[in-house]
Order: sequence, then structure tokens, then C-alpha cells
Amino acid sequence: DAGITQSPRHKVTETGTPVTLRCHQTENHRYMYWYRQDPGHGLRLIHYSYGVKDTDKGEVSDGYSVSRSKTEDFLLTLESATSSQTSVYFCATHRGYGNQPQHFGDGTRLSIL
Amino acid sequence: KNEVEQSPQNLTAQEGEFITINCSYSVGISALHWLQQHPGGGIVSLFMLSSGKKKHGRLIATINIQEKHSSLHITASHPRDSAVYICAASNTDKLIFGTGTRLQVFP
Repeated sequence: DAGITQSPRHKVTETGTPVTLRCHQTENHRYMYWYRQDPGHGLRLIHYSYGVKDTDKGEVSDGYSVSRSKTEDFLLTLESATSSQTSVYFCATHRGYGNQPQHFGDGTRLSIL
Repeated sequence: KNEVEQSPQNLTAQEGEFITINCSYSVGISALHWLQQHPGGGIVSLFMLSSGKKKHGRLIATINIQEKHSSLHITASHPRDSAVYICAASNTDKLIFGTGTRLQVFP
């Protein structure tokens, strides 16, 4: 496994507050991804990173920002959380070369009241 | 229309039954992935295939590139197979996911 740790695992917060989710990996994988998972939808890509300080938007990036200042950490920030951002968030990593699967963290359940 | 479609959405089975989950995709892919997610749990990669067939224990995955279709089979199903099975198509460095098939296997 890619040794992926997501923190926190659960969070409840109020609308309008900032929230930061952390993804930490120990396998030196080049690519890192943030997804959200909601009932009736497949996993949807929020943002991804293809190297330190190199990030790009996914299909549902509005209201989210990311940062990757070192290989092992990928942060997802909700600047001003809204109830529509209540979801389960998954981080994933990929080695970045060859035909390899993505490795997923255990998820963060975020509730915004 | 979603680029990756799975069927059925929900599936119930008795222990021991043979199970098939289908996945169709409309995009060009470099590989097709099958993932498993247990209730409240993380997501685990089961298979990644770009042609033919792969087998791991009681699980078999097949793909037909010409028809843009893949199947996941579970032989001699067991209650511990109860999970959501997700099909995903990889295209360059991203995955496009189906909405998942929820499988419940009863003793």
C-alpha cells in the first residue's frame, strides 16, 4: 500500500468556516488527488497534483483550493465551507509512470451544518 | 450520459451464487479499473486491465476493448463480498468513475 493517511477522519463544522484536510503519503508517489464521494455520483475529482507546487483543477473544483509544498503532503482547503460541501473526501496517490493503479486513503467524513 | 456506466446499481444474492457486474465506457482508455469499497471503509483496487482477463481468487475481470465493455465476476459469492464495486476508466493521468454497484450477499 502507498501508506496514505488522511486527517482528520471526521469533522463537523459550521457554514462559513475555513476547513483544511490533509493527505500524507510515505511512498514518494508523484501524483496526488482529492476526490469527493456523494450518493448518486461516482467519485469526482476536485484537484490533483503532478508534483511539488504543480496542481490542476478537476471537474468540481469551485470552492476548493489545494497546496503541495512537499512531495508527501497534499492539502485541500475549503475557504468558506458551505452545506453543499458536506461529503466524504478521499485522497489518492499514483506513482506517476507505468500503468499502475491509484492508491486511496481511508476517507474524511466532513459535515457542514 | 455518464462516460462510465455500471449495471446493476444494486444487487442482492444468496451465498454461493455467481455474480456479474457490468461496466460500459464511452471514452478512450489506457486501462479499466475495478475497485471495492466496504461500508464505511476505504477504497481498494482489485484489478487494472487493458485487455483480456485477470483472475484473483474468486474474482475474475474481463474486458472487450472493441465493445468498450468490462465485467467483474464473483464465483461462489460469500457475505464478506458485500461491498460497493466501482468501475473506473483511466485516461492519461486521471480516472473517470462509474457510480458503483452495491452488492449484498446473504447467508
